[in-house]
Amino acid sequence: SQELEQSPQSLIVQEGKNLTINCTSSKTLYGLYWYKQKYGEGLIFLMMLQKGGEEKSHEKITAKLDEKKQQSSLHITASQPSHAGIYLCGAGNTGNQFYFGTGTSLTVIP
Amino acid sequence: ETGVTQTPRHLVMGMTNKKSLKCEQHLGHNAMYWYKQSAKKPLELMFVYSLEERVENNSVPSRFSPECPNSSHLFLHLHTLQPEDSALYLCASSQSRSWQGSSGYTFGSGTRLTVV
Repeated sequence: SQELEQSPQSLIVQEGKNLTINCTSSKTLYGLYWYKQKYGEGLIFLMMLQKGGEEKSHEKITAKLDEKKQQSSLHITASQPSHAGIYLCGAGNTGNQFYFGTGTSLTVIP
Repeated sequence: ETGVTQTPRHLVMGMTNKKSLKCEQHLGHNAMYWYKQSAKKPLELMFVYSLEERVENNSVPSRFSPECPNSSHLFLHLHTLQPEDSALYLCASSQSRSWQGSSGYTFGSGTRLTVV
């Protein structure tokens, strides 16, 4: 099975600060998805990366997939309270299986 | 609204009760999923339906019984649950059984289940 390790497990930052969340796999990532989950709710799709070295941005959130396609990072610039929640990475393998990471809980203090 | 609707949002049930969770999607997706999310654990895939046929059952206890009457609706029937079954149950759908696609899975808001 494929395991996705996220770090840190939790993060508390002051509003306006930048932060980075990592997602690491021991196997090649064939499609890396980032989701955000507000506490007690469903997951909202953020971005999907497929190619090594790929980088995508949406508003103040940037996601990157490394060249080896085994690690992805999610970077938030000038964090706001609206960024608070749980961030999950997910990835598929060469079959139909899809795995989720352990999640990173983000708190942004106004 | 993501296009996947789950009801109820919250459910408290005794261990001898029978209840059902409902999921509905009008995205034209052909695959639907039940996930369990417990505190500090990765999302656990429970069941997968593709074109109304169950294609995956990940060693889920028989007290959980899924039903997919058509491609838009998915149910999870609950019977004689245990307190450790308390969790957030998430429904998801995707265009096809393959995970590949621009947005992967579309999730509902979940049902917070508490077993007392």
